[in-house]
Amino acid sequence: AQSVTQPDIHITVSEGASLELRCNYSYGATPYLFWYVQSPGQGLQLLLKYFSGDTLVQGIKGFEAEFKRSQSSFNLRKPSVHWSDAAEYFCAVGGIRRDMRFGAGTRLTVKP
Amino acid sequence: DTAVSQTPKYLVTQMGNDKSIKCEQNLGHDTMYWYKQDSKKFLKIMFSYNNKELIINETVPNRFSPKSPDKAHLNLHINSLELGDSAVYFCASSVLGSYEQYFGPGTRLTVT
Repeated sequence: AQSVTQPDIHITVSEGASLELRCNYSYGATPYLFWYVQSPGQGLQLLLKYFSGDTLVQGIKGFEAEFKRSQSSFNLRKPSVHWSDAAEYFCAVGGIRRDMRFGAGTRLTVKP
Repeated sequence: DTAVSQTPKYLVTQMGNDKSIKCEQNLGHDTMYWYKQDSKKFLKIMFSYNNKELIINETVPNRFSPKSPDKAHLNLHINSLELGDSAVYFCASSVLGSYEQYFGPGTRLTVT
């Protein structure tokens, strides 16, 4: 069955520092992978997605993610974090029934 | 313009009551979903509908009944509410066959 693991429950970075959030997936075929962000009290916003092709995908708000099949990973990165990036980040894999299987989320805190 | 909207945003009710949450999308999508986010932020799919037809029905108590009057609306009715039903419920929509889902802002349900 498709599943996603986000190993880090909570990450704290300083404003201006680089960020990498980890995501590992389990899926038999080529996965459809997503990163969503949830700001406090808000819904989920799609940051970026990977379906096929170039393994480095660019998203909104300066985020990017790299698909690595050999490591079953789809890590999210940002070169310089802003205070407004503080939020909950969810990695997800598309299920065979077109539903979305989410990881447990990583909470990002940004220190001034 | 709101793409996926939910009402109400907050719902506080007592155990044993029956309540409904409404969802509407103006994206022209033909598939809609309900997800539940528990207190640990874990997101899990409950139902999905395509053109008013139920296509995903996860292991959810039959106290939960989705209703889709047309493809732009998917409502969630919950009978005999229990404390464990307290959560944030998210509606989402997509085009059939697409993994890209757009989420509503969520409805925070508190059962006392």
